[in-house]
Amino acid sequence: QVQLQESGPGLVKPSETLSLTCTVSGGSVSSESYYWSWIRQPPGKGLEWIGYIYHSGRTKYSPSLKSRGTVLVDTTRNQFSLKLTSMTAADTAVYYCARVLAVAVDYFDYWGQGTLVTVSS
Amino acid sequence: DIQMTQSPSSLSASVGDRVTITCRASQTISRSLNWYQQKPGKAPKLLIYAASSLQSGVPFRFSGSGSGTDFTLTISSLQPEDFATYYCQQTYSAPTFGQGTKLQIK
Repeated sequence: QVQLQESGPGLVKPSETLSLTCTVSGGSVSSESYYWSWIRQPPGKGLEWIGYIYHSGRTKYSPSLKSRGTVLVDTTRNQFSLKLTSMTAADTAVYYCARVLAVAVDYFDYWGQGTLVTVSS
Repeated sequence: DIQMTQSPSSLSASVGDRVTITCRASQTISRSLNWYQQKPGKAPKLLIYAASSLQSGVPFRFSGSGSGTDFTLTISSLQPEDFATYYCQQTYSAPTFGQGTKLQIK
């Protein structure tokens, strides 16, 4: 059974950089069958996709992030990570990591439990 | 970005009811449409992918249909555990989600 677990700080100051890690168990981040994603959800609001990293290391990001996001993969630790720079209160959200399966279409088939990140001084 | 619009935003129904939620894309997305269920404090759960394919383990009372710009999620007979928020998501281009439909007990 695949499991994903987010870890990182629950509180970040405005203008600082958020760093989150997703640890994958029951599957390999090196698998060519999947790729890996971050999604966030502001309190009481809907879901927003942040970015992907493919097994090749290629990445794709939401244009709304305005180049603030970076997703990396660490195959030795079976983890992938998110860095989001220049944090503001608008970035306060529950951050989820998820696995993406691409068959007829891409879909998020496994999710972490989510971690709440609050941006406040 | 492709905008996804769900209707209604909220819905009250009773156990045993048949419920339909609609999702409309701002441009054609073929059948690149997924549906998720989210309960309070939990991560979303995949229900339907590619517009009408049922994810393994999801009850058969859930079904999806549509193509192009208009899609529907139908729950044939509501069960108590189905009261949740439902999101559509397009995967034709950079993923975007609908705003959600909150299904409440009448």
